[in-house]
Amino acid sequence: QSALTQPASVSGSPGQSITISCTGTSSDVGRYNYVSWYQQYPGKAPKLMIYDVSNRPSGVSNRFSGSKSGNTASLTISGLQAEDEADYYCSSYTSSTTLVFGGGTKLTVL
Amino acid sequence: EVQLLESGGGLVQPGGSLRLSCAASGFTLSSSGMSWVRQAPGKGLEWVSGISGSGTGTYYADSVRGRFTISRDDSKNTLYVQMNSLRADDTAVYYCAKDRSTLRALEMWGQGTMVTVSS
Repeated sequence: QSALTQPASVSGSPGQSITISCTGTSSDVGRYNYVSWYQQYPGKAPKLMIYDVSNRPSGVSNRFSGSKSGNTASLTISGLQAEDEADYYCSSYTSSTTLVFGGGTKLTVL
Repeated sequence: EVQLLESGGGLVQPGGSLRLSCAASGFTLSSSGMSWVRQAPGKGLEWVSGISGSGTGTYYADSVRGRFTISRDDSKNTLYVQMNSLRADDTAVYYCAKDRSTLRALEMWGQGTMVTVSS
């Protein structure tokens, strides 16, 4: 149950777009379309932003989008805003009937 | 309004036991998969355990299998995790979360409860 691989940090200026990658294996990300993305502010509980690779829950801005190619999933945030500065985590269902998270990516809005 | 409220955290000695509770409101546990996720201080999220909506399926991370047991009481609409043989590396904030299905996407989270394992 190795964690999915995410960059430790990404940054962007307001209005720009950024992409966070999430690399797994053929036993998780590559096999199932059950990749999710979470946003977490310091000291707060995570919030679901994307589920099933590219679906947004009700109330989540359409500036957030998800995709997948092979063993790598991606979260793109367009029109970056100061309020987007947070930690982002990906997760995936696995063939071992478990859930695995990525190590997390700290997004800095410059 | 859907809400999850964890309780039961605290300080426990290595080798000790603790049971966390997660009271659900606004929905019935039997209609949804649920998970426990923890976050060590300054670290990332780690999935710990899950249970199916039917209650017949229980799932565990390798790091806790054999030491933790997930369960629920439908009459109290409450989720539990019994944690035995606790170690220092179990120290974390423990969140319960409502799944969209089972082990798919955690759509609602509680506020978390802190567990500290230390002598």
